[in-house]
Amino acid sequence: SQQGEEDPQALSIQEGENATMNCSYKTSINNLQWYRQNSGRGLVHLILIRSNEREKHSGRLRVTLDTSKKSSSLLITASRAADTASYFCATRDAGGTSYGKLTFGQGTILTVHP
Amino acid sequence: DTAVSQTPKYLVTQMGNDKSIKCEQNLGHDTMYWYKQDSKKFLKIMFSYNNKELIINETVPNRFSPKSPDKAHLNLHINSLELGDSAVYFCASSPPGITQYFGPGTRLTVL
Repeated sequence: SQQGEEDPQALSIQEGENATMNCSYKTSINNLQWYRQNSGRGLVHLILIRSNEREKHSGRLRVTLDTSKKSSSLLITASRAADTASYFCATRDAGGTSYGKLTFGQGTILTVHP
Repeated sequence: DTAVSQTPKYLVTQMGNDKSIKCEQNLGHDTMYWYKQDSKKFLKIMFSYNNKELIINETVPNRFSPKSPDKAHLNLHINSLELGDSAVYFCASSPPGITQYFGPGTRLTVL
């Protein structure tokens, strides 16, 4: 079954508004990461939150993690047209080797209108 | 000064052909990966190598054969291409267990 399912699949907002994306996963994790993909480009890492952390900030990004609900959210505040992209969560399973794979969700397509 | 580079960026070929995609990273990472992104943007890991050794092989058909001549390079060779192989293939690298750095992708179209 698919790990890292995201909600909503698509989000359309106006510049200046906040955007919230959610991610649910199924297994115990070591960390959860958020990536961004601009159209036709590779993924770019945004932020990592470890399983023992509940909240993390980076600039206009705020990530929360609730391991009891196996869910995470990414909040982008004061969005800009340049934030238009697909956003993916990815989980690294707990245990195993430190070379553990990342399992990606299907992503949320965010469109920010100027 | 590109961190992770892939060639070619686009690849259009006929069914049954054999093709290769090359990946190089200049970040000094020990671990490299190949991912496949389908038309619905679902990104799935195919292979992972650590220091030239295969550590993850996600039930990929044996028509796909990764090769790592050194820890800075991980190439992907695909034999007998099928229509379903059409996708965007991403290479990535990382220090152990940490964030991954992705290449720009190779869009493969099999006709």
